[in-house]
Amino acid sequence: QQQVKQSPQSLIVQKGGISIINCAYENTAFDYFPWYQQFPGKGPALLIAIRPDVSEKKEGRFTISFNKSAKQFSLHIMDSQPGDSATYFCAASIGSWGKLQFGAGTQVVVTP
Amino acid sequence: DVKVTQSSRYLVKRTGEKVFLECVQDMDHENMFWYRQDPGLGLRLIYFSYDVKMKEKGDIPEGYSVSREKKERFSLILESASTNQTSMYLCASRGEGSTYEQYFGPGTRLTVT
Repeated sequence: QQQVKQSPQSLIVQKGGISIINCAYENTAFDYFPWYQQFPGKGPALLIAIRPDVSEKKEGRFTISFNKSAKQFSLHIMDSQPGDSATYFCAASIGSWGKLQFGAGTQVVVTP
Repeated sequence: DVKVTQSSRYLVKRTGEKVFLECVQDMDHENMFWYRQDPGLGLRLIYFSYDVKMKEKGDIPEGYSVSREKKERFSLILESASTNQTSMYLCASRGEGSTYEQYFGPGTRLTVT
């Protein structure tokens, strides 16, 4: 049973548009929420992470929004570029050193 | 530059064979992990190791074992491969410094026929 539910499974967005990926969790003990980005033929790489003491974190065109009461967090990719085409995984753990529970992944395709 | 390497990109084995997947990291990291990646299921943790000769089961350890004789090397063993172990296997490592990032290798696509 997946502890972190991720949607949508896939997403097609035009260049310059906004990509939004949503994740939900049940375990209120989770307190570290990273996002990983995976390009074809490569392993995942950490993109951005957030802790529940903040509601939003921004790094460049990538923003995590966190809603503790709803037990949901989302990744927004602003001004999406073809180079952002990849699979994105949300994850959660208890403590930064805890085992990561990954979502199912979202394949994002940005069309020129 | 951080590097995690895996011994094979593609591997084809027969049912019942013993399979070894090797992972090496050059970052002097204490923690190493084995995941399998399947469409629609994301990454699921098989085993992890927090020190040489130390190991802990992850969420799906059945049918797998691991070995960590040296700090830089973490091996995943399929004692008797089965078709339901056909998957992408990813190794990762993580240090104990200020960053909690896991660094992943490129993966091994294992097909069991």
